[in-house]
Amino acid sequence: NAGVTQTPKFRILKIGQSMTLQCTQDMNHNYMYWYRQDPGMGLKLIYYSVGAGITDKGEVPNGYNVSRSTTEDFPLRLELAAPSQTSVYFCASSYGASADYGYTFGSGTRLTVV
Amino acid sequence: QKEVEQNSGPLSVPEGAIASLNCTYSDRGSQSFFWYRQYSGKSPELIMSIYSNGDKEDGRFTAQLNKASQYVSLLIRDSQPSDSATYLCAVNTGFQKLVFGTGTRLL
Repeated sequence: NAGVTQTPKFRILKIGQSMTLQCTQDMNHNYMYWYRQDPGMGLKLIYYSVGAGITDKGEVPNGYNVSRSTTEDFPLRLELAAPSQTSVYFCASSYGASADYGYTFGSGTRLTVV
Repeated sequence: QKEVEQNSGPLSVPEGAIASLNCTYSDRGSQSFFWYRQYSGKSPELIMSIYSNGDKEDGRFTAQLNKASQYVSLLIRDSQPSDSATYLCAVNTGFQKLVFGTGTRLL
């Protein structure tokens, strides 16, 4: 099993450019999440989804958009990139809302906006 | 704003000793709690979860939960060089949305 796959692993964007971070999971998990992690900081929730067609904002959604057309895919769209969006982005999935289900994380995308 | 607090460290533990990592949380209604390990440049990986007061053991790891004191801890017995990492405490705020602490770096 591949688990959670994120692409690309690294990307440099210029201010004002847009891009989509891809996230795919093959575990048939209903719950999917996008977090960002800045140096010395904890992970901050950007958006999450509890199933295909259902998404909601997390703690830091400004400047981002998501969609969830299938169970497997949960892409994150950055519009008009800003230096403040320089971060490491992690996609994660979870089987359900039970206390025993932790996250499976992807390997991350390191994004630099210059 | 629901918060999770951890001492950032670094915490230096001799090989073979017990490492004790602590975490406090602000939302008294939180029901489940997680410990993740993150090696430098890697993604977090789940160590264990806990949702009942008391201790939960898994191999060399023991999680401890005290809801009255809003306190979660992780003990690592017989510390090994491979345990050097950052340990993240996380609290479930609903729909498995986790709020993470900033992590404790263990040397």
